[in-house]
Amino acid sequence: DSGVTQTPKHLITATGQRVTLRCSPRSGDLSVYWYQQSLDQGLQFLIQYYNGEERAKGNILERFSAQQFPDLHSELNLSSLELGDSALYFCASSVGTSGGPGRSATQYFGPGTRLTVL
Amino acid sequence: AQKITQTQPGMFVQEKEAVTLDCTYDTSDPSYGLFWYKQPSSGEMIFLIYQGSYDQQNATEGRYSLNFQKARKSANLVISASQLGDSAMYFCAMRLTRISNFGNEKLTFGTGTRLTIIP
Repeated sequence: DSGVTQTPKHLITATGQRVTLRCSPRSGDLSVYWYQQSLDQGLQFLIQYYNGEERAKGNILERFSAQQFPDLHSELNLSSLELGDSALYFCASSVGTSGGPGRSATQYFGPGTRLTVL
Repeated sequence: AQKITQTQPGMFVQEKEAVTLDCTYDTSDPSYGLFWYKQPSSGEMIFLIYQGSYDQQNATEGRYSLNFQKARKSANLVISASQLGDSAMYFCAMRLTRISNFGNEKLTFGTGTRLTIIP
């Protein structure tokens, strides 16, 4: 158990709908990262939050948005869903430093949310 | 930009044998970290081992060791005495670690190697 929790574990919805994925980081971790894993794109970084503020953006679609709340949990909102959005969405967290070498750089992953868009 | 290459899509290994999973990386930044993650069929991503670019010794974690060859830009994972439970996808990943890279800490992943342990 990594200490990172994600809900729900599975989500099935229809095209055009909107869903919210939730993540709670490990105790003490200030950074939260969202990744998407799909068969055609592999594992792709979407977005990072650090202590409530957006820190870095990756290949995140405009239809997707995220936020990190004062209690450090994060939510990823996916709207106007398309079939191609079906994927495994991971949240990861790391020790609350801005960078630096050593194991503090390690990101621990949650169990993922498997999204199926029909 | 960083790049990770895993050239073995799949491997079959006899139980109790050692196995080496290949990983090469590319970056122009001297400060980085290399990671291996295991993804069993249940889907979760499990951290296995970390190697920093300035670490003098190869990292070891139980049955896992990382064969770090900086000049060749390779970071192969070695699993000793393989077990049936080692059957999974294995991903090599890297991130930059210099403080000035704040905001550029994303993990870049390879395409993975599917390891199957044969009894």
